[in-house]
Amino acid sequence: GQNIDQPTEMTATEGAIVQINCTYQTSGFNGLFWYQQHAGEAPTFLSYNVLDGLEEKGRFSSFLSRSKGYSYLLLKELQMKDSASYLCAVSNDYKLSFGAGTTVTVRA
Amino acid sequence: GAVVSQHPSWVICKSGTSVKIECRSLDFQATTMFWYRQFPKQSLMLMATSNEGSKATYEQGVEKDKFLINHASLTLSTLTVTSAHPEDSSFYICSARSIAGGPYEQYFGPGTRLTVT
Repeated sequence: GQNIDQPTEMTATEGAIVQINCTYQTSGFNGLFWYQQHAGEAPTFLSYNVLDGLEEKGRFSSFLSRSKGYSYLLLKELQMKDSASYLCAVSNDYKLSFGAGTTVTVRA
Repeated sequence: GAVVSQHPSWVICKSGTSVKIECRSLDFQATTMFWYRQFPKQSLMLMATSNEGSKATYEQGVEKDKFLINHASLTLSTLTVTSAHPEDSSFYICSARSIAGGPYEQYFGPGTRLTVT
C-alpha cells in the first residue's frame, strides 16, 4: 500500500521562506513529484526527484532522501500568488499516489 | 507543449443519468491516460489507467461497470459515469503520459466538476 503524509496547512508572510515536508512509505518507488494546485484547477508540475539530493528551480527547490522516505519542497521569496495547495506524489510503476496536500496561505 | 484538455469543464446532471467526460492530448500522443477523482479538500485518487486500444485497469474499489473508460486513440480517452448519484459529485481530472516524454511524467487536464442533483 501507499502512505504519504504532509502537513495540512501552513501560513507564511510574503517574502519569507516555507518548507513543506513529505514522508512516504510505498511498495515501490520510481520518483517523487511536487505539484501546485489552485482551488478548482488541475495540478501543475513543480519538480521531480528520483535521486537523493536537492533540485533547485528558481524560487522552488525540492529535496529527496530515499533511505528516509522523506522529501521537502522549499518555497523562497514567497509571493501572494504562491497561495495554493502543494501536493506530494510518489510514482510507482508509472502510477502516481498523492498525499492529501498542504494548503499554503501567504499573508501580506 | 504538452497540453491536455477536458470537456466539459463542469456539468450538472440528474440522478440516474449518464455523463461522458472527454480527455484529449492536444499536441502530443499519449500512450497512457489516467483518471483521477478529487473530493473537496482531499487528495487526488487514481481511479483507472487506460492504454490506447486496450481495456482500462481499475484501482481497487472503483466499479468498472459504473465508470466506463474508452481510450480509442492516442489523443482521446473518455470517462462515462453511468447512473450517476449525488455521491458521484466530484472533480474529475485526467492526465496523460507522452510517448516521447519521460516515463514518469504526467500532464494534467484542467478537470471537470460534476454535480449530480
